[in-house]
Amino acid sequence: IAGITQAPTSQILAAGRRMTLRCTQDMRHNAMYWYRQDLGLGLRLIHYSNTAGTTGKGEVPDGYSVSRANTDDFPLTLASAVPSQTSVYFCASSEGLEGNEQFFGPGTRLTVL
Amino acid sequence: GQNIDQPTEMTATEGAIVQINCTYQTSGFNGLFWYQQHAGEAPTFLSYNVLDGLEEKGRFSSFLSRSKGYSYLLLKELQMKDSASYLCAVISNDYKLSFGAGTTVTVRA
Repeated sequence: IAGITQAPTSQILAAGRRMTLRCTQDMRHNAMYWYRQDLGLGLRLIHYSNTAGTTGKGEVPDGYSVSRANTDDFPLTLASAVPSQTSVYFCASSEGLEGNEQFFGPGTRLTVL
Repeated sequence: GQNIDQPTEMTATEGAIVQINCTYQTSGFNGLFWYQQHAGEAPTFLSYNVLDGLEEKGRFSSFLSRSKGYSYLLLKELQMKDSASYLCAVISNDYKLSFGAGTTVTVRA
């Protein structure tokens, strides 16, 4: 693989179910991010990670959790999905936090019914 | 907090020039990015400004005025493939990126 990948591409999920969105990068970037994109609101940061073993909260972290066990993977988990979490989710990575270009994955379209 | 404003939509003719403005109010500033996003695709990097002035990269240029909290993206010699959303994003002192809602540019023949 080259760059950053996400899985699944799309998912329809019943409310209350648990779901993990996967993100993997092969660029050896230190920083990784999860955003959600909703019409009219733009991209909003959910969680981020400066480096393996550390994570931080973004603008809209409630209802989501992340882990960063290694450099390459940064999964996002919805413990109990709700309809307001219907969105397009983008994972991104950068070499570091300061002024570095972020590379985005292709996105996961999630619908919670 | 962050407040980033940009127009919702713009329309221009193929071969013309379009300027997309972005104003921001942030708690700390460490630079401004412009990204391009085609419908159904991921955002891709266009430019990064941290100092005042104009950065030119081919048909695209980006300008920053830190004192005015203002930036613009200039697209010259518009092509049909430039039809996309253009996202203004500011990186704050805590190195988190905050995005505007995006400007949808439609290029017409």
